[in-house]
Amino acid sequence: KQEVTQIPAALSVPEGENLVLNCSFTDSAIYNLQWFRQDPGKGLTSLLLIQSSQREQTSGRLNASLDKSSGRSTLYIAASQPGDSATYLCAVPYSGGYQKVTFGTGTKLQVIP
Amino acid sequence: NAGVTQTPKFQVLKTGQSMTLQCAQDMNHNSMYWYRQDPGMGLRLIYYSASEGTTDKGEVPNGYNVSRLNKREFSLRLESAAPSQTSVYFCASTEGPFTAGNTIYFGEGSWLTVV
Repeated sequence: KQEVTQIPAALSVPEGENLVLNCSFTDSAIYNLQWFRQDPGKGLTSLLLIQSSQREQTSGRLNASLDKSSGRSTLYIAASQPGDSATYLCAVPYSGGYQKVTFGTGTKLQVIP
Repeated sequence: NAGVTQTPKFQVLKTGQSMTLQCAQDMNHNSMYWYRQDPGMGLRLIYYSASEGTTDKGEVPNGYNVSRLNKREFSLRLESAAPSQTSVYFCASTEGPFTAGNTIYFGEGSWLTVV
């Protein structure tokens, strides 16, 4: 079974700081990886999807990288803003199941003005 | 721009009561999913429907049933609610398999408390 770990569980940074969120997975035979954002009391919103053939994917101030061989993905947030405060989760396909997804437990980010 | 719509948003049930969570998507997606989210456990798949007319168990199906009513709607039923089913439930949909690079779209969640 695919295990997904996100460390740290919580992070607090001052506004304007660049930061990196980590996602580790145990089965490197993945098709892709997605990063999501979850605001309190809300559902998850997809931020970036990286295909297994890609190394990076960028959207605005967000950059996600994928290293399958080491079982890691990172989400880089440039020039953080208070509006970035949310929980960030990564998701990878469940080993042996093309329709199933394993989610990490997330990193709760607080950006302090 | 409704996306994935879930009802109800909040519900309190007594142990042993039954209820159905409703979910509808307007993106013409083939696949739909029900997840539960618990503190420290992350999101866990309850049931999914790869396409209209099919349903399959996920990681934690015990105590639940589902119905894929049509391509748009996928309901989750708790036949005899237990306190262990207190959770936040999310419906989601994708155009096709996640492994094919399809983005997952989530509803806003349904907060269920069983007392």
